[in-house]
Amino acid sequence: ETGVTQTPRHLVMGMTNKKSLKCEQHLGHNAMYWYKQSAKKPLELMFVYNFKEQTENNSVPSRFSPECPNSSHLFLHLHTLQPEDSALYLCASSQEPSGRVETQYFGPGTRLLVL
Amino acid sequence: DQQVKQNSPSLSVQEGRISILNCDYTNSMFDYFLWYKKYPAEGPTFLISISSIKDKNEDGRFTVFLNKSAKHLSLHIVPSQPGDSAVYFCAASESDGYNTDKLIFGTGTRLQVFP
Repeated sequence: ETGVTQTPRHLVMGMTNKKSLKCEQHLGHNAMYWYKQSAKKPLELMFVYNFKEQTENNSVPSRFSPECPNSSHLFLHLHTLQPEDSALYLCASSQEPSGRVETQYFGPGTRLLVL
Repeated sequence: DQQVKQNSPSLSVQEGRISILNCDYTNSMFDYFLWYKKYPAEGPTFLISISSIKDKNEDGRFTVFLNKSAKHLSLHIVPSQPGDSAVYFCAASESDGYNTDKLIFGTGTRLQVFP
């Protein structure tokens, strides 16, 4: 595997379910990001991790819980979601969090549907 | 209120012709602008960027123009090729693009290049 991978690629869950999204980067980067893209809305930054430490929480509801056990893996734990949380969730990584923004490499995303 | 706007959700262009994708922004603190390209089932990939100290940046068939007074930028693709068919996102950041936490995206424009 190369680049940034995300699993699952598609997920359907009920509002009472608990699920997790996984992101793995094979680029040796030390910063990882979660973005959300809702239909007809811009891509929105959710969380930033630098060297496994969370450095940014962009006012995300607590029903989204990120976890970064090491600089190669990033999880997004989901519980008691709402239908409006249905969206494409994109993971990204970069070599240096202070580097130029174009150095972020994106994964293919997980398309989430909350019923 | 969206700070980065792409008012055309879609654009259709004949192969060989010029494609012009537009983007407007409202935040005068933005000083670094980027275009990302996204194919279906893939994450966005960086295409080209421009700093606010410039008004034009060219990379092969892709040229980005920046009009700071109008708070407007555009991406020109010439000649357009069928492989250019994708969704194009405009993005902006502060701090000359070195603060990855401040990357603000537009909603995207779907470009279709037909033979």
